[in-house]
Amino acid sequence: DGGITQSPKYLFRKEGQNVTLSCEQNLNHDAMYWYRQDPGQGLRLIYYSQIVNDFQKGDIAEGYSVSREKKESFPLTVTSAQKNPTAFYLCASSNQGSTAQHFGDGTRLSIL
Amino acid sequence: AQSVTQPDIHITVSEGASLELRCNYSYGATPYLFWYVQSPGQGLQLLLKYFSGDTLVQGIKGFEAEFKRSQSSFNLRKPSVHWSDAAEYFCAVVPPPSNTGNQFYFGTGTSLTVIP
Repeated sequence: DGGITQSPKYLFRKEGQNVTLSCEQNLNHDAMYWYRQDPGQGLRLIYYSQIVNDFQKGDIAEGYSVSREKKESFPLTVTSAQKNPTAFYLCASSNQGSTAQHFGDGTRLSIL
Repeated sequence: AQSVTQPDIHITVSEGASLELRCNYSYGATPYLFWYVQSPGQGLQLLLKYFSGDTLVQGIKGFEAEFKRSQSSFNLRKPSVHWSDAAEYFCAVVPPPSNTGNQFYFGTGTSLTVIP
């Protein structure tokens, strides 16, 4: 079945460490997105990519980086510059033309 | 500022009772409108969407939503709630065509508790 796979499901980061969250989709969607979810704040957009080798910052991009070398993959790196990385991270994808976004099951990142 | 608002942070209903979750948006033109549901520790699942046409939209799991242009609202309803409907519900919009890259904007969510 087609879908979005995020890994790992749980991730722990030490102070000063960069960590990378994986997001893979086999839906042949052009656009991919990363959101951060904190309690009571809904989803906030970190980065999005509409085509391979291109991506744009969302509302809260500081301390994060992404790459889009392949259509099916959109990894997110949480850098040491992100001072409050503890959150639930969701990856999504969609076709061009504003159809619905499909979501992965998320990665929960915590600080050791 | 353009936005989407879910006025109710938390709602509690009895099993079998009807449900209405509110969603309001503030855009000049009609955006694309969506409702998603999220179970704890899971991703978001699409319940229904509205692009144009019939203002009453049917979704999965017995949910429906009504678009009201005059009220800038897209409220989610279910006639009879089941215990398995307990979850977080998010309203989302894609603003009218612009150079924003078809970004989705989410409300802050409404947490639904269902009591026996």
